Amino acid sequence: QQQVKQSPQSLIVQKGGIPIINCAYENTAFDYFPWYQQFPGKGPALLIAIRPDVSEKKEGRFTISFNKSAKQFSLHIMDSQPGDSATYFCAASGYGGSQGNLIFGKGTKLSVKP
Amino acid sequence: GAGVSQSPRYKVAKRGQDVALRCDPISGHVSLFWYQQALGQGPEFLTYFQNEAQLDKSGLPSDRFFAERPEGSVSTLKIQRTQQEDSAVYLCASRNSGANVLTFGAGSRLTVL
Repeated sequence: QQQVKQSPQSLIVQKGGIPIINCAYENTAFDYFPWYQQFPGKGPALLIAIRPDVSEKKEGRFTISFNKSAKQFSLHIMDSQPGDSATYFCAASGYGGSQGNLIFGKGTKLSVKP
Repeated sequence: GAGVSQSPRYKVAKRGQDVALRCDPISGHVSLFWYQQALGQGPEFLTYFQNEAQLDKSGLPSDRFFAERPEGSVSTLKIQRTQQEDSAVYLCASRNSGANVLTFGAGSRLTVL
């Protein structure tokens, strides 16, 4: 049973476009939702995270939108650049992320064309 | 060190061989996790340590997989009698006490022939 469903599997945008990656979760006990960025040959790196008490969080060009009632959250990348080309993973965990493990989505491979 | 260090970065094993993968977490980090990442997939949880105690090993796929962290710092993931389906990148991550940021290493890529 996949607890975190991520879409799309892959995404191609032009430089300056705004790619949007969506995730849905099932477990209402989840209360910490990070996004990780992974480049080939590297481990995932934390990009931005949100708790369910807010509906949106911005850090630089990255924004998370969170819909608690729909159990969905999404990542928006403003003014995307070729250097943003990577695989993005959403994840979820309980206890504010300070205990236990993260459950990851299957990933979205983003390609930003110059 | 400054980050999570994993070794070896690449390992090729013949089917049936035993392998050992090492993780050196960020100094002082209490929690340590092992994940398995198949090609084109997201990381999947294997096991979790808090200091030297293995608190969750529910993700280990079989009894051929064994992990230890005897002194609460370095951890080793051992896979006995490797099978082709064990081919994957094995990621180690660490986290400080009470924090929520998980820092990953670059992974160990295991190929079983």
